[in-house]
Amino acid sequence: DIQMTQSPSFLSASVGDTVTITCRASQTVYSYLNWYQQKPGKAPTLLIFAFSRLQSGVPSRFSASKSGADFTLVISGLQPEDVATYYCQQSYSAPYTFGQGTQLDIK
Amino acid sequence: QVQLVESGGGVVQPGGSLRLSCAASGFTFSSHGLHWVRQAPGKGLEWVSLIWFDGNNKDYGPSVRGRFTISRDNSKNTLYLQMNSLRVEDTAVYYCARENVAADGTWSWLDPWGPGTLVIVSS
Repeated sequence: DIQMTQSPSFLSASVGDTVTITCRASQTVYSYLNWYQQKPGKAPTLLIFAFSRLQSGVPSRFSASKSGADFTLVISGLQPEDVATYYCQQSYSAPYTFGQGTQLDIK
Repeated sequence: QVQLVESGGGVVQPGGSLRLSCAASGFTFSSHGLHWVRQAPGKGLEWVSLIWFDGNNKDYGPSVRGRFTISRDNSKNTLYLQMNSLRVEDTAVYYCARENVAADGTWSWLDPWGPGTLVIVSS
């Protein structure tokens, strides 16, 4: 099974900051990588699919990229409503594993 | 609008069984694969199972394989998860999610998700 490792596990930043979350797969997943946001007490929602494609309705301050085996989610200009846990997920092969999550707080 | 709503959660003793349902509306149900994902209290997301649009292919995560069975009824726009031999570690919120596939059949992603249903396995 493919293991997905996210870093950091916890992140605290100020409003307006740029934050970066990284996800690494234990074996190649090509571009089959999605990012989800889960706000406290809510179901996850899709942010990014196919490693860099922004889901409709998601603010443009969210972006994502790939470099080798590392996938990166960037929030440029952090807003209070971005407080959430962020998960990567590989959709290359079953089981379609998730990263362990990155919990983002506002300082 | 596109909507998924899970039901059937509750409290069950270890070794017991439970069947979850996920009612879909607002889209052509028979055209999409569907997934179950769970989240234990205070923990991260764990992928559980997938069923193809026509029900002909299914897959399971290693922790539930052989105990859980995914199925669907395209005439009722409903997805199911039959959970047998339940363990304390199966305690979680169970989400259903619609699979979307790129037009060229390459990438896939989960959207939307239902609000979830809570399963508690406890004696």
